[in-house]
Amino acid sequence: QQQVKQSPQSLIVQKGGISIINCAYENTAFDYFPWYQQFPGKGPALLIAIRPDVSEKKEGRFTISFNKSAKQFSLHIMDSQPGDSATYFCAASVPSNTGKLIFGQGTTLQVKP
Amino acid sequence: DAGITQSPRHKVTETGTPVTLRCHQTENHRYMYWYRQDPGHGLRLIHYSYGVKDTDKGEVSDGYSVSRSKTEDFLLTLESATSSQTSVYFCAISEADRAVRYFGPGTRLTVL
Repeated sequence: QQQVKQSPQSLIVQKGGISIINCAYENTAFDYFPWYQQFPGKGPALLIAIRPDVSEKKEGRFTISFNKSAKQFSLHIMDSQPGDSATYFCAASVPSNTGKLIFGQGTTLQVKP
Repeated sequence: DAGITQSPRHKVTETGTPVTLRCHQTENHRYMYWYRQDPGHGLRLIHYSYGVKDTDKGEVSDGYSVSRSKTEDFLLTLESATSSQTSVYFCAISEADRAVRYFGPGTRLTVL
């Protein structure tokens, strides 16, 4: 119940296209859903995050869509660029002092020029 | 970039030897975390600290211990390394438990 399932494992998109990464969860106590971006040889960095009281959050070309009833959330990258090629992780946490941020398995995105 | 350094950045060791990884921060953040990253598993929490000498276990803590004697340093020790502990280890910090996690550059550990 503590898992966050992420798909697809890898994704190839043409430059200018839309990249979509999906995550699903079971624990309805999760109340914070960040996305992290990781370039090769680097640590992950926070990209965008959402709380379940909103259905969508947009920051530039990056949008999180959140479906509370379906227990799913997704990352959309509009006008994908080669510089977006990276590994993306979704994550979720519960409102407690446990330090536990549960990560998805990761999606490797390649944007072809 | 948040002021987080990890040392060593790369290490090759043999099964059964003790290994200590160091995480150092200059941000004075209260929370520090150790994660391991393995293909197909994402990032999994090993141990975390919510203050000096205050630590707790994460989801994959077996075979690992931690210590935090100063705000800025968080040590991860593999008492007797095994091949299953071959991984990339990331340290992270945050001001509060539910605030942004800032990750270090990682340590690639290979246990032969």
